[in-house]
Amino acid sequence: EPEVTQTPSHQVTQMGQEVILRCVPISNHLYFYWYRQILGQKVEFLVSFYNNEISEKSEIFDDQFSVERPDGSNFTLKIRSTKLEDSAMYFCASSQGLAGGREETQYFGPGTRLLVL
Amino acid sequence: KQEVTQIPAALSVPEGENLVLNCSFTDSAIYNLQWFRQDPGKGLTSLLLIQSSQREQTSGRLNASLDKSSGRSTLYIAASQPGDSATYLCVGVGAGSYQLTFGKGTKLSVIP
Repeated sequence: EPEVTQTPSHQVTQMGQEVILRCVPISNHLYFYWYRQILGQKVEFLVSFYNNEISEKSEIFDDQFSVERPDGSNFTLKIRSTKLEDSAMYFCASSQGLAGGREETQYFGPGTRLLVL
Repeated sequence: KQEVTQIPAALSVPEGENLVLNCSFTDSAIYNLQWFRQDPGKGLTSLLLIQSSQREQTSGRLNASLDKSSGRSTLYIAASQPGDSATYLCVGVGAGSYQLTFGKGTKLSVIP
């Protein structure tokens, strides 16, 4: 069964460093998403991406964050200058896009646990 | 802004028992309502999706209901098994939005 994959599974970085989290969505999916979950808190939406453009973003997704689909398979989240409060589990998700991305199931990857020291 | 609340935060039941997990949401203009399962290290798995025009969905031993007028959803698990132990997340999608709004979850432990 097709699945979303994410690399790395864990990443430790120093405050102020740039990190890139990588995701490979399910191959025929058109909508891509990033979410994060700070330890002990709710999963929070960061951004949705369709047709090489951001379709929606939350207030968390500020100028320190960017997303890119550098090729036909990868979807990346970059944090330019990490802060301590960026420590969280980051989930990538994808959906087919048959219904415009709204009504359908989103399939999640296993997450990348980011620790900023 | 949509808010999703789940009660209880944790639940422990003996194997074989039927159980109900509760979820409430603030915005009745909900596009759809999903229940996810979260296992440590394995990400999030969608269990059931109820569209706004529907009242319930069933999959195996799981049944989810949606009452938009009262802002509530329930997930019923029949004949619970130890493999059902996980955190169950109630997730809403507001009209006109792509983003999922998550509850904090109910951590279920099924004791053999």
